[in-house]
Amino acid sequence: DTGVSQNPRHKITKRGQNVTFRCDPISEHNRLYWYRQTLGQGPEFLTYFQNEAQLEKSRLLSDRFSAERPKGSFSTLEIQRTEQGDSAMYLCASSSRPGQSYEQYFGPGTRLTVT
Amino acid sequence: AQTVTQSQPEMSVQEAETVTLSCTYDTSESDYYLFWYKQPPSRQMILVIRQEAYKQQNATENRFSVNFQKAAKSFSLKISDSQLGDAAMYFCAYRSEGNDYKLSFGAGTTVTVRA
Repeated sequence: DTGVSQNPRHKITKRGQNVTFRCDPISEHNRLYWYRQTLGQGPEFLTYFQNEAQLEKSRLLSDRFSAERPKGSFSTLEIQRTEQGDSAMYLCASSSRPGQSYEQYFGPGTRLTVT
Repeated sequence: AQTVTQSQPEMSVQEAETVTLSCTYDTSESDYYLFWYKQPPSRQMILVIRQEAYKQQNATENRFSVNFQKAAKSFSLKISDSQLGDAAMYFCAYRSEGNDYKLSFGAGTTVTVRA
């Protein structure tokens, strides 16, 4: 068990460009979550998947954002037409079934800077 | 919506001493979970301690303990015998029993440990 991994760790992009981040959860974790963390703040929930189904999306997730988890394993988060306000740390977490109280294990995050 | 408030942006503690971090939350629910997460600089967030609201006994994990006051909606973290490795940002988080996918975080408290 190698933990939750995220790639890339850092991404610098110009405003208007599209970016995609990847998250690999802990194997056999059926739930996967995305959060956004801006400087000096706590993480804010964006969306989550149970297996391949996206079950909830925050209103923070504008129509420029899309997330997928096609085979119930890894997930991608895409941001189209990036804006400076999208600059943040994007965190992924995963959790297993109720027997472990759905404890969420976090990845190291992808830091996005939009110039 | 649940809100979590951490009123101390920064706390400093001498090595081997004790520090207490404050957290209050607002909810109308009776069943929920509370967590303290630690986020070291440039490293991933890890769970420090968890408290189930239905349990009256305060949770303890080695040098970390909580003071859970359900009626007051207060959930403080005490770090005893502070070590240099305890230096990090600490986040208080709330999770509903019903909406069991979403963590709501406070803004965090930065803890520095003086040698």
